[in-house]
Amino acid sequence: DTGVSQDPRHKITKRGQNVTFRCDPISEHNRLYWYRQTLGQGPEFLTYFQNEAQLEKSRLLSDRFSAERPKGSFSTLEIQRTEQGDSAMYLCASSPLWQAFNYGYTFGSGTRLTVV
Amino acid sequence: QKEVEQNSGPLSVPEGAIASLNCTYSDRGSQSFFWYRQYSGKSPELIMFIYSNGDKEDGRFTAQLNKASQYVSLLIRDSQPSDSATYLCAVNTDTGNQFYFGTGTSLTVIP
Repeated sequence: DTGVSQDPRHKITKRGQNVTFRCDPISEHNRLYWYRQTLGQGPEFLTYFQNEAQLEKSRLLSDRFSAERPKGSFSTLEIQRTEQGDSAMYLCASSPLWQAFNYGYTFGSGTRLTVV
Repeated sequence: QKEVEQNSGPLSVPEGAIASLNCTYSDRGSQSFFWYRQYSGKSPELIMFIYSNGDKEDGRFTAQLNKASQYVSLLIRDSQPSDSATYLCAVNTDTGNQFYFGTGTSLTVIP
């Protein structure tokens, strides 16, 4: 069990470019969550998967954002046509089914995105 | 709008003192509550969870929950400089599928 792994750790991109982040959850965790954290704020929910199904999306997840978990293992989060307001830490977490409700979940180290 | 409110601080306490961090939430349907610690530039780290009224102790940390008052607190006894961080309060949704976080309280423990 190596924990939740996120790649890359840092990404600097020019406005208008597309970026993709990857999250590898803890093995056999059914649920995978994406959050976004801007400076001085708490994390905000973006979306979550149960196995390969994307079951809930926040209204924060605009049309420029898409997330996938094709085989129920790793997940990718893509942002198209990045804007400066997308600059944030993107956090991934995973949990066994139902465990998050009572026991919380563990975040990965995050991907810090800077849009210039 | 489900809201979680925390005093942003900064809160400063001397080494060895008790640090008290507070959180209120608006959704009466919330059922489980979490405290995360976040060091600057790092991701949040889960340190405590509680879902029953009363106190829950884990080492130097005590979480307190009062559902009637919609209030959660975290006490850190014998505060150490290594406790200096931002502490985030999180509350589950009524479906349990996502958490709502406060903006965090910045704690500095002065040696």
